[in-house]
Amino acid sequence: RKEVEQDPGPFNVPEGATVAFNCTYSNSASQSFFWYRQDCRKEPKLLMSVYSSGNEDGRFTAQLNRASQYISLLIRDSKLSDSATYLCVVNYNFNKFYFGSGTKLNVKP
Amino acid sequence: NAGVTQTPKFRVLKTGQSMTLLCAQDMNHEYMYWYRQDPGMGLRLIHYSVGEGTTAKGEVPDGYNVSRLKKQNFLLGLESAAPSQTSVYFCASRNGWAGELFFGEGSRLTVL
Repeated sequence: RKEVEQDPGPFNVPEGATVAFNCTYSNSASQSFFWYRQDCRKEPKLLMSVYSSGNEDGRFTAQLNRASQYISLLIRDSKLSDSATYLCVVNYNFNKFYFGSGTKLNVKP
Repeated sequence: NAGVTQTPKFRVLKTGQSMTLLCAQDMNHEYMYWYRQDPGMGLRLIHYSVGEGTTAKGEVPDGYNVSRLKKQNFLLGLESAAPSQTSVYFCASRNGWAGELFFGEGSRLTVL
């Protein structure tokens, strides 16, 4: 079983739509959680950390549910520039970061 | 602002050849990592280092060796390349156990 699982998509949405991604993780001892964004043929870059209380950064909202071991990312008012692959990342044992295989988002005009 | 720099960016090898990927960071980070990324699979950790002179195995270390002789550099070596090592390799660094990972631009390796 993979440490981190994501729906690969692609999610094809029109501009202005709201879209949500979920990610599940297998290790209940996981300590920290992140969403990274990866553009085609580029390196991953941190989008946001995910805190237990949930957190928001502009149009992006991240939630963590430790009991069910899943993380979510909500994007409101999608822009063309949001088209990318979104990677769910889970960290435990201080040095082990586990990456999901990514969810691809295509925002269409 | 260089950040994390990987060289080379692209390389084609024949089976059995050896090569070294160089990762250099100018952020004075303690921790450095080598990942590989393959289609349909998340980034997988090959080796990592928690400081100068130290290295440790990750999830998929077989066929690779690493060295961290200087704090700013982390080298990934392939002694005898195999087609299964065709991949995109990413180096990353971070400052402290709670810091975010900063990635290099990646190195695309093809082994024929």
